[in-house]
Amino acid sequence: KAGVTQTPRYLIKTRGQQVTLSCSPISGHRSVSWYQQTPGQGLQFLFEYFSETQRNKGNFPGRFSGRQFSNSRSEMNVSTLELGDSALYLCASSSEPGLAGAEQYFGPGTRLTVT
Amino acid sequence: AQSVSQHNHHVILSEAASLELGCNYSYGGTVNLFWYVQYPGQHLQLLLKYFSGDPLVKGIKGFEAEFIKSKFSFNLRKPSVQWSDTAEYFCAVHGGTSYGKLTFGQGTILTVHP
Repeated sequence: KAGVTQTPRYLIKTRGQQVTLSCSPISGHRSVSWYQQTPGQGLQFLFEYFSETQRNKGNFPGRFSGRQFSNSRSEMNVSTLELGDSALYLCASSSEPGLAGAEQYFGPGTRLTVT
Repeated sequence: AQSVSQHNHHVILSEAASLELGCNYSYGGTVNLFWYVQYPGQHLQLLLKYFSGDPLVKGIKGFEAEFIKSKFSFNLRKPSVQWSDTAEYFCAVHGGTSYGKLTFGQGTILTVHP
């Protein structure tokens, strides 16, 4: 089975721009979670989607948004980029939608650099 | 709110030494517990998990962890480390019905010298 894939792997953007990151979960997985990883804050939860619905959201400003498609693929968008948004953005998928605490499988991440 | 604390930021060991990485969490209800590992240049991989039952859980590559509910701890152990265990290790907690949200510790970098 193919793992979680994320595109693009690297991005360089300028302050004020917006960016869209994509995540394809493991086949059959319907839950997708997004995390931001930085040296200072570590891994922080952004949001989770299941069956095209956002079920949970972390403590991030409204500039961070996401969506999920009917094939379970997910995208996250960051508008009006700030220097502090530079981070590794990780996507994780899970196979058991009824079990909120199922293990998550992570993709390689998208490295976003904001200049 | 949930929180996870990993005791050591950087641990340096020689091959064949024993390993124990500390993890304490803060949450009042039922929890699911995880250890993830991130090898250099690779993505996060699940080492082991605890949902219920036997508090001593075994994972991949000879790792094990013990859930001690009274101490809110989930420490990771390995009797004899190898150079290939050099990586960053993350403890994570899921609590209640917080869908899809894992709360991670800050991570422990393990360096194993041959």
